[in-house]
Amino acid sequence: DTGVSQNPRHKITKRGQNVTFRCDPISEHNRLYWYRQTLGQGPEFLTYFQNEAQLEKSRLLSDRFSAERPKGSFSTLEIQRTEQGDSAMYLCASSDVGSPLHFGNGTRLTVT
Amino acid sequence: KNQVEQSPQSLIILEGKNCTLQCNYTVSPFSNLRWYKQDTGRGPVSLTIMTFSENTKSNGRYTATLDADTKQSSLHITASQLSDSASYICVVGGSWGKLQFGAGTQVVVTP
Repeated sequence: DTGVSQNPRHKITKRGQNVTFRCDPISEHNRLYWYRQTLGQGPEFLTYFQNEAQLEKSRLLSDRFSAERPKGSFSTLEIQRTEQGDSAMYLCASSDVGSPLHFGNGTRLTVT
Repeated sequence: KNQVEQSPQSLIILEGKNCTLQCNYTVSPFSNLRWYKQDTGRGPVSLTIMTFSENTKSNGRYTATLDADTKQSSLHITASQLSDSASYICVVGGSWGKLQFGAGTQVVVTP
């Protein structure tokens, strides 16, 4: 297992377009998290799945953001009608009970 | 106000020297404290994790300390190497399972 995988690594899009990111967690981990990180800041929590159930969503996750984890395996994060303020690194992490978070290398989104 | 404050915001040290990073938190109730290392353009990688009953934990040249009474933690890097150049993030877990991230300390190790 090569760890948490995120695709694409970089995404440049024009304002108003929709984007979708994918995260493949460590296979035996049942918990999956999405975070957003801007330059010089720590990651900010967006949402959390246990298996296929989305158990928590941050207030940061506006109506334009939606995340899914069908079948409790990979997850997707979609941003509709992107805005320049959405430009950030989007990090995915997975964990099992009692284990630390294992992060992917993120998807860097630039909205022009 | 962030419940996890890290200092300094950044520091530059000479290769081979030691340095100490600080983390103060107000998260309550407290469950655990983690230090992560984040290289530029990469995701954070766990260095140490301590529960409230642990005072110190080491991982190679990295040593973390925790004082749950004063709500302070430190990360000491011994004999720094160029590869230690990264952001070091303090993460505090509350008893309800929610994690609070600090903004990180940016460390630059120069030859």
